[in-house]
Amino acid sequence: SYELTQPLSVSVALGQTARITCGGNDIGGKNVHWYQQKPGQAPVLVIYRDTNRPSGIPERFSGSNSGNTATLTISRAQAGDEADYYCQVWDSSKGVFGGGTQLTVL
Amino acid sequence: QVQLQESGPGLVKPSQTLSLTCTVSGGSISNGAYFWSWIRQHPGKGLEWIGYVFYSGSTYYNPSLKSRVTISVDTSKNQFYLKLNSVTAADTAVYYCARVGDGVTYFLDSWGQGTLVTVSS
Repeated sequence: SYELTQPLSVSVALGQTARITCGGNDIGGKNVHWYQQKPGQAPVLVIYRDTNRPSGIPERFSGSNSGNTATLTISRAQAGDEADYYCQVWDSSKGVFGGGTQLTVL
Repeated sequence: QVQLQESGPGLVKPSQTLSLTCTVSGGSISNGAYFWSWIRQHPGKGLEWIGYVFYSGSTYYNPSLKSRVTISVDTSKNQFYLKLNSVTAADTAVYYCARVGDGVTYFLDSWGQGTLVTVSS
């Protein structure tokens, strides 16, 4: 079955750029979606179909996808961006999530 | 803006059936542009897609849960449902209902707040 690999944790200094990766076999050929989940809350969609931001999501959030890696980029990181981030694809008629990455803003 | 709200028992005994309801407001569940889904999250763990239902009643289930899961819909009540049979402690999780915003790429664009279901005697 298809697997998505994310780093367990990523740290970023306040105001700097954070990059969270999502690895998968030829993931560049799939549509990748990203969710932000803060403690005790439901996930929120922040990027869909690789690069698209839903209404209300700041432009600081962007996505890319090529080869075997998709990347969520958070520019000018803020304390409020601290959360778990999950990537997700649909593969062989099955929804697949990455294991999640905890983002810490220092 | 569509809103989803889960409801149901927070405690279920082992071997019994977990039953949850998701009530959709601010939009019609009969809108053919969307699917309606259940996702769960084990304590401190990642997300697991359980399945989805279309307003017509057609369904998809995660193969790992397929033998125990039923997802159904009642368009007259704007609700959809989850039943999970023969539960064990491993089914203890926060259960979310969510809307699938795209029936081609399957992203989840609206979520309920989630409800914790504990399986214990």
